[in-house]
Amino acid sequence: GAVVSQHPSWVICKSGTSVKIECRSLDFQATTMFWYRQFPKQSLMLMATSNEGSKATYEQGVEKDKFLINHASLTLSTLTVTSAHPEDSSFYICSARDPSGGDNTYNEQFFGPGTRLTVL
Amino acid sequence: QKEVEQDPGPLSVPEGAIVSLNCTYSNSAFQYFMWYRQYSRKGPELLMYTYSSGNKEDGRFTAQVDKSSKYISLFIRDSQPSDSATYLCAMSAGTGNQFYFGTGTSLTVIP
Repeated sequence: GAVVSQHPSWVICKSGTSVKIECRSLDFQATTMFWYRQFPKQSLMLMATSNEGSKATYEQGVEKDKFLINHASLTLSTLTVTSAHPEDSSFYICSARDPSGGDNTYNEQFFGPGTRLTVL
Repeated sequence: QKEVEQDPGPLSVPEGAIVSLNCTYSNSAFQYFMWYRQYSRKGPELLMYTYSSGNKEDGRFTAQVDKSSKYISLFIRDSQPSDSATYLCAMSAGTGNQFYFGTGTSLTVIP
C-alpha cells in the first residue's frame, strides 16, 4: 500500500512557540490531504482538509489562524501550530488520499504514523 | 448525537477466541464503511472497507454491514496476541466526503 510519512514523530515545545509538522506521501501524488487530532482514548477528529494549491477547508471550531495548513506540492502538506499552549498537546495525524487507488467512487486514505505534540 | 457510536471497551479475550466489534451510525447517506487497526502511538492502518450492505471476508477478518439497522461489525476469527490494538470504524458518503470515525475499541488478546 501507499506510504505516508510524518515528521517529527514527537516534539516537545514551550508554551507560546510555533511547531511545524510535515506530512509526505512517499510513493504517490496526493491532491488531498487531511489533518486529524486525536486525544487519549478518543477518536480521530478531522481538523481540516488540505487541497494542493488552494486554501485548506477547516472544520467547525478549528481556528485557521492557529492551525496553519499549507499544501504546496502534491506530496507535501504542513501543519503549523502557532503560539502553542498546553491544551494543544495531542496526537496529530495526517492522511493522504490516493486518487489512483480504490474503485471509481472510493478513494482510500492512507494515514501517517502521527506526531505527538507536548506543550509545556 | 454522534455520527458514529462505538463501544470503547476495553475488550479482553483469550487467544483463539472469536472477536466481535461493532459500530452504529445515524447518517443514512454513508455508503462506505471501513475498519482500521491502530497500535499504540501509531497511525491507523486500513484493514477492510465495504461498500453498502453485505459481507466481506479477508483471511481471519469478516466485515458485515447492515444498512437497514445502521449497524456494522468486524469479526476476527482465531484471534492472536498480535491482534491486540485499537480498532476504529469509519464511514463516508463517498469520494470527496469526510470520514467519520468511531472512538475505537481497545482489544487485548491474552496468550
